[in-house]
Amino acid sequence: GNSVTQMEGPVTLSEEAFLTINCTYTATGYPSLFWYVQYPGEGLQLLLKATKADDKGSNKGFEATYRKETTSFHLEKGSVQVSDSAVYFCALGGGSTLGRLYFGRGTQLTVWP
Amino acid sequence: NAGVTQTPKFQVLKTGQSMTLQCAQDMNHNSMYWYRQDPGMGLRLIYYSASEGTTDKGEVPNGYNVSRLNKREFSLRLESAAPSQTSVYFCASSEMGRGANQPQHFGDGTRLSIL
Repeated sequence: GNSVTQMEGPVTLSEEAFLTINCTYTATGYPSLFWYVQYPGEGLQLLLKATKADDKGSNKGFEATYRKETTSFHLEKGSVQVSDSAVYFCALGGGSTLGRLYFGRGTQLTVWP
Repeated sequence: NAGVTQTPKFQVLKTGQSMTLQCAQDMNHNSMYWYRQDPGMGLRLIYYSASEGTTDKGEVPNGYNVSRLNKREFSLRLESAAPSQTSVYFCASSEMGRGANQPQHFGDGTRLSIL
């Protein structure tokens, strides 16, 4: 079946530190992979996506590469800011998922000045 | 740019009461979804509607019903609320149904407490 396993949090970093949040998946077919971000009191917003193997999604300094060989889609950012503090969700969709998304449990990131 | 609009934003109910959560999208999307978010559980799909006139169960449909009123609106009903249904509920929409690679667009959520 389809599932997403995401690095447990919370993650606490100092400003300008390097960020990695791990995400691995199990899927049938050829899914798309997404990272969503949720700021306090808000809904989820799409951060980036990749639709096929070796694609790299990027946005706002965040990057993730669709690795089929390791079934991974790790989120990275070279230098985090206080404003990046939020909950990050890895998700799987498309392929044989009938249009629905499968979410990881979310990783809380807190960045201190 | 409204996107996905959910009402109400907050609600407190007593056990056994009923209520309907409303969701509307203005992006002409075919597919709509209802999720619940609980601490440490991520988002779990309750029901979804791949297109107008169709609805399907997700992971946790028990205790809920849905209505796809038209292409824009997708409501979620709790017939007899239980404390286990205390959660944050999110509605989402996307451009396509089956096999979609399109991202979903989320509302700001309804925070529901059941006493």
